[in-house]
Amino acid sequence: IVMMQSPVTLSVSPGEGATLSCRASHSVNDNLAWYQQKPGQPPRLVIYGASTRATGIPARFTGSGSGTNFILTISGLQSEDSAVYYCLQYNFLPGTFGGGTKVEIK
Amino acid sequence: QVQLQQWGAGLLKPSETLSLTCAVDGGSFSGFFWTWIRQSPGKGLEWIAEVSHTGSVSYNPSLRGRVAFSSDTSKNHFSLELTSLTAADTAVYYCRGGWTSQGLDWWGQGTLVTVSS
Repeated sequence: IVMMQSPVTLSVSPGEGATLSCRASHSVNDNLAWYQQKPGQPPRLVIYGASTRATGIPARFTGSGSGTNFILTISGLQSEDSAVYYCLQYNFLPGTFGGGTKVEIK
Repeated sequence: QVQLQQWGAGLLKPSETLSLTCAVDGGSFSGFFWTWIRQSPGKGLEWIAEVSHTGSVSYNPSLRGRVAFSSDTSKNHFSLELTSLTAADTAVYYCRGGWTSQGLDWWGQGTLVTVSS
């Protein structure tokens, strides 16, 4: 299963919103997770089940979609949201990640 | 709070074997998924191998034949071996555990493995 993310880079001003897209080559149902990764750190789970926020994740992070098209929306961006975001499908083995979207804060 | 601590050699020569171990601290080994994932600049995040909560082991077909996953439940450890290394295997290797569909997700700190003569 190939996971395609867009855009590759997103530059957003503080307080604005960001929309990240992830598309699967085949339906993965809602077995889709989003991860946030900052330099020098392992990825951190943000969303699982396509739309459920992981423990400790602020409400400004929202996941949606099912099947082949998924969206991660970050509203009211804060400086600490600057990171690379990856989607992961875990419906099929091997799990496959998207190439990532780098979110930069202007 | 479950923590994963991983270790292994960081500098290897082509054709050598990579060996990494991950210790699970603060939780039970059984009943969860345990995975090895690597991250390289050229290929991004790549899922390598996994043992499921039922004990079934799966490998990434792109690495099949070179990779072996093992676990020692008595020590709460699991390990990865990757043989016949080339420069393309240079990456940060992570161990990961939990159950993604339940929102359980724990990562090791990562080990940079460099393959160079």
